[in-house]
Amino acid sequence: AQSVTQLGSHVSVSEGALVLLRCNYSSSVPPYLFWYVQYPNQGLQLLLKYTSAATLVKGINGFEAEFKKSETSFHLTKPSAHMSDAAEYFCAVNYNNDMRFGAGTRLTVKP
Amino acid sequence: NAGVTQTPKFRVLKTGQSMTLLCAQDMNHEYMYWYRQDPGMGLRLIHYSVGEGTTAKGEVPDGYNVSRLKKQNFLLGLESAAPSQTSVYFCASSSRTRQNEQYFGPGTRLTVT
Repeated sequence: AQSVTQLGSHVSVSEGALVLLRCNYSSSVPPYLFWYVQYPNQGLQLLLKYTSAATLVKGINGFEAEFKKSETSFHLTKPSAHMSDAAEYFCAVNYNNDMRFGAGTRLTVKP
Repeated sequence: NAGVTQTPKFRVLKTGQSMTLLCAQDMNHEYMYWYRQDPGMGLRLIHYSVGEGTTAKGEVPDGYNVSRLKKQNFLLGLESAAPSQTSVYFCASSSRTRQNEQYFGPGTRLTVT
């Protein structure tokens, strides 16, 4: 069965610093990959998705992720963190309507 | 458009009680899902539906039942609640043509004492 591993349950960065949230997947077939963001007491919001087109995917709020098949990774990055980026981020893999989520990474942004 | 809505937002149950969570979507989506979210475990799929009148088990279906009598609604039932079902429950929906793109509701926080 496919699965997702997010390295680091908590990541803390300073405002203006690079954000890097790591995600590795295991899948026997080419997957669909997603990053979702969850703000406190809210549902999940889609940030971006990879669907086998371009390997570098741009999403909302300045985030992007790169699909690297050789590393089975789909890391999320943002060049400059903003205070409003503080939230929990989930990586997910979907094959044949079976969506599996990672455990989540909580991002803290320090002023 | 309201998107995906869930009722209630919060609920406290005693062990053995029953309840039904309601999910409604106004996007005419064919697919609907129920997840539970627990600390350190991400979201896990309980049940899903690919159309009116059809449901299927997900990763953690035990202790839950679902029904999809109308396209826009997806009900999640707990017949005899247990403390292990204390969680935050999320409903999601997606279209058949873009089934991988799921839209989530705001969640229901359930506590079973």
